[in-house]
Amino acid sequence: GDSVTQMEGPVTLSEEAFLTINCTYTATGYPSLFWYVQYPGEGLQLLLKATKADDKGSNKGFEATYRKETTSFHLEKGSVQVSDSAVYFCALPSSRSTSGTYKYIFGTGTRLKVLA
Amino acid sequence: SAVISQKPSRDICQRGTSLTIQCQVDSQVTMMFWYRQQPGQSLTLIATANQGSEATYESGFVIDKFPISRPNLTFSTLTVSNMSPEDSSIYLCSADRGINYGYTFGSGTRLTVV
Repeated sequence: GDSVTQMEGPVTLSEEAFLTINCTYTATGYPSLFWYVQYPGEGLQLLLKATKADDKGSNKGFEATYRKETTSFHLEKGSVQVSDSAVYFCALPSSRSTSGTYKYIFGTGTRLKVLA
Repeated sequence: SAVISQKPSRDICQRGTSLTIQCQVDSQVTMMFWYRQQPGQSLTLIATANQGSEATYESGFVIDKFPISRPNLTFSTLTVSNMSPEDSSIYLCSADRGINYGYTFGSGTRLTVV
């Protein structure tokens, strides 16, 4: 079945360091891919998305490229800030849930801690 | 894009009691979803709530434990019934904006059962 695999955290970086959080997927076809971010004490927010192969999603300095050859959607940022400390989730819409609508599969989440 | 207001943001409850979580969306949405996020883990879908019909529950979740209401296209509630410490989690509601747009989430309810 469809699945999402994320690198395990926590990831601890110094401010202005380069960030990569790996995400690979298995899926039927070429679904849209998403990154969500969860700041401490909050719900999830959509960070960026890509709807087809070779698309690059970007937002707030974060980027991720949909690579079908490697079935990957790695999240990158050139220079992280303390305010980027959060948990990051990779996700894709997968098989339909029992209600008939699409059921999203979320990765296990990667906690990022940025030190000043 | 839709904005979802969820409340309460957190609560500490006694075992055996029930808590109702509310989500209000600022625009009409067809489907709303309820997730559970246990400490340090990813999200697990509890059920899908479609206005005008009974919620559809995922494997491992039952209506008696997690009754859901969806009285209109902008509102939904989830009740966690007869709580035990194992129910301590973050509960999140969300709305589907379409397969290419992802979900919008509420800010979550952090529930602690003592």
